Amino acid sequence: DQQVKQNSPSLSVQEGRISILNCDYTNSMFDYFLWYKKYPAEGPTFLISISSIKDKNEDGRFTVFLNKSAKHLSLHIVPSQPGDSAVYFCAASSNAGGTSYGKLTFGQGTILTVHP
Amino acid sequence: EPEVTQTPSHQVTQMGQEVILRCVPISNHLYFYWYRQILGQKVEFLVSFYNNEISEKSEIFDDQFSVERPDGSNFTLKIRSTKLEDSAMYFCASSEAGYDEAFFGQGTRLTVV
Repeated sequence: DQQVKQNSPSLSVQEGRISILNCDYTNSMFDYFLWYKKYPAEGPTFLISISSIKDKNEDGRFTVFLNKSAKHLSLHIVPSQPGDSAVYFCAASSNAGGTSYGKLTFGQGTILTVHP
Repeated sequence: EPEVTQTPSHQVTQMGQEVILRCVPISNHLYFYWYRQILGQKVEFLVSFYNNEISEKSEIFDDQFSVERPDGSNFTLKIRSTKLEDSAMYFCASSEAGYDEAFFGQGTRLTVV
């Protein structure tokens, strides 16, 4: 079941530069998308989300872009900091009709390493 | 800042034994979830719980699994007869409205030997 895919297992970026993490989905019923950050031995930490009625949402250094026609979203981190080094998960849910109760489908994750 | 807490952080159990994983969701949240992550694999949905009943469950959540909210604060996942393949990180999560972001606990590492 590959409804949410993160095709890049890892990304390496220099401190101060932009990190761009990508995510593709196949289920057209998904209408809410989230990015989580995860450190080893910890639970996923919510970063930012976007509803399908928007194409961009910004929160500080983090911006999520949604391209519904391409079924693609991306997370931009500007400027990247060494503390951003973690695994980043894309997740999606389908809330239309009120039947999903918030079930999240996750991608495989991308390991981001930000070098000083 | 409110957080989801899980106990224990690590549980080792013998195959065939019952285990109960415990979670305290954020107090004003109404939707509760269990997810698991087998080493090297995706985070997978197990079950969602709302209004004191299961609202959705995955194929993984078979008759060996059950959830309960025994009081106003705890949310538990029971595995009746553990198998080796149940070894994973189990994450509890909660959300306020179901259609908003879910907040995760730090996880319980279950090792079945």
